[in-house]
Amino acid sequence: QKEVEQNSGPLSVPEGAIASLNCTYSDRVSQSFFWYRQYSGKSPELIMSIYSNGDKEDGRFTAQLNKASQYVSLLIRDSQPSDSATYLCAVMGAGGTSYGKLTFGQGTILTVHP
Amino acid sequence: DTAVSQTPKYLVTQMGNDKSIKCEQNLGHDTMYWYKQDSKKFLKIMFSYNNKELIINETVPNRFSPKSPDKAHLNLHINSLELGDSAVYFCASSQGLAAGELFFGEGSRLTVL
Repeated sequence: QKEVEQNSGPLSVPEGAIASLNCTYSDRVSQSFFWYRQYSGKSPELIMSIYSNGDKEDGRFTAQLNKASQYVSLLIRDSQPSDSATYLCAVMGAGGTSYGKLTFGQGTILTVHP
Repeated sequence: DTAVSQTPKYLVTQMGNDKSIKCEQNLGHDTMYWYKQDSKKFLKIMFSYNNKELIINETVPNRFSPKSPDKAHLNLHINSLELGDSAVYFCASSQGLAAGELFFGEGSRLTVL
């Protein structure tokens, strides 16, 4: 089982729609979760972090966390063509040899078409 | 003023050669990393250093040797390059060891022929 798993996509949504990106993780003790965006040919950049169960909103982005189900998601409302990128879910290791290790999923490619 | 800078951006070399990538951060961060991103875009941690001390050393061949002369610099030297080493290598930094906000450099694309 992969430590952090995402649907690789591609996920295609029309402009103005809601894009929903999902991620599951295997380490039950993890407490910190992140979403990074990576444009083609560029480096990843952090867009959201979430530490507590529930929703966290930042502009058009909402991160959702359910630790019992080991599930993290990212919703992008009113999707724009400029949101087209690869979205990487990342989980911070919390104990033992995983402490301080940020593990990424394989990424979901999102395409927003006009 | 680039926060995390890597050089060179591109390396093209023959199998068996040795190459180095340099990384510098001006953010005052304590922790620096090397990540490898393969052709399928999977981003995998290789090493992390905290205040010049090696903290994370994933199962990386010992042909890869990181070196941190001070906490603002982290270099990566690769000996006896193989075809499978072709990838984009990202340097990153963070405020502390368990801080998940990483600032990435632009990446160094290594092609081994």
